[in-house]
Amino acid sequence: QSVLTQPPSVSGAPGQRVTISCTGSSSNIGAGYDVHWYQQLPRTAPKFLISDNSNRPSGVPDRFSGSRSGTSVSLAITGLQAEDEADYYCQSYDSSLSGSVFGGGTKLTVL
Amino acid sequence: EVQLVESGGGVVRPGGSLRLSCVASGFTFDDYGMSWVRQAPGKGLEWVSGINWNGGSTRYADSVKGRFTISRDNAKNSLYLQMNSLRAEDTALYHCARQVRYCTSASCQNYFDPWGQGTLVTVSS
Repeated sequence: QSVLTQPPSVSGAPGQRVTISCTGSSSNIGAGYDVHWYQQLPRTAPKFLISDNSNRPSGVPDRFSGSRSGTSVSLAITGLQAEDEADYYCQSYDSSLSGSVFGGGTKLTVL
Repeated sequence: EVQLVESGGGVVRPGGSLRLSCVASGFTFDDYGMSWVRQAPGKGLEWVSGINWNGGSTRYADSVKGRFTISRDNAKNSLYLQMNSLRAEDTALYHCARQVRYCTSASCQNYFDPWGQGTLVTVSS
């Protein structure tokens, strides 16, 4: 059971928009700690995607965006492409565990 | 190019030990904290352990506390994970990852970038 909760799967047709939520508790996201996002393509290492809720590094397409409203955090992918099919993970810090925590991952399928 | 290359994985019996290594290149190693993150077959990511830039501060997930020890040798640009009393549930692909630290007025936090490809540890009798 992961500390952060993500939907196990989402799907969308090419060109569509999908969102992936990440929910935590009062010792992590609810305590104000930032959320970071990673993309893991099949059979590859995770790749950093979004930092501190919404900051996208250079090289990451602007189709990917992160947002936070209070304790609600999400990753949005617009203009879906076949190459976006991957697992997506959120990560934060948990003060009760004194360490980093991840969501269980969301498998994105491009129909 | 920033690169992290892990080694040392293998098959070990329950109760056995293994030492993982991660060699870093392409950046100033002792400017960064480092972590180990594992992924059991078909499962999600689990942070295992982290160490600060000079090895003076280490942290562990509860699942490995007392069994695993993280360390680093900045002269060799290397990160290590000594794993003792291994259990079947430790079976996973172990990635090393660079910690990118930043601070706000409220706290200091980190994310992981980049990640190595991982080394596979299988604990089985």
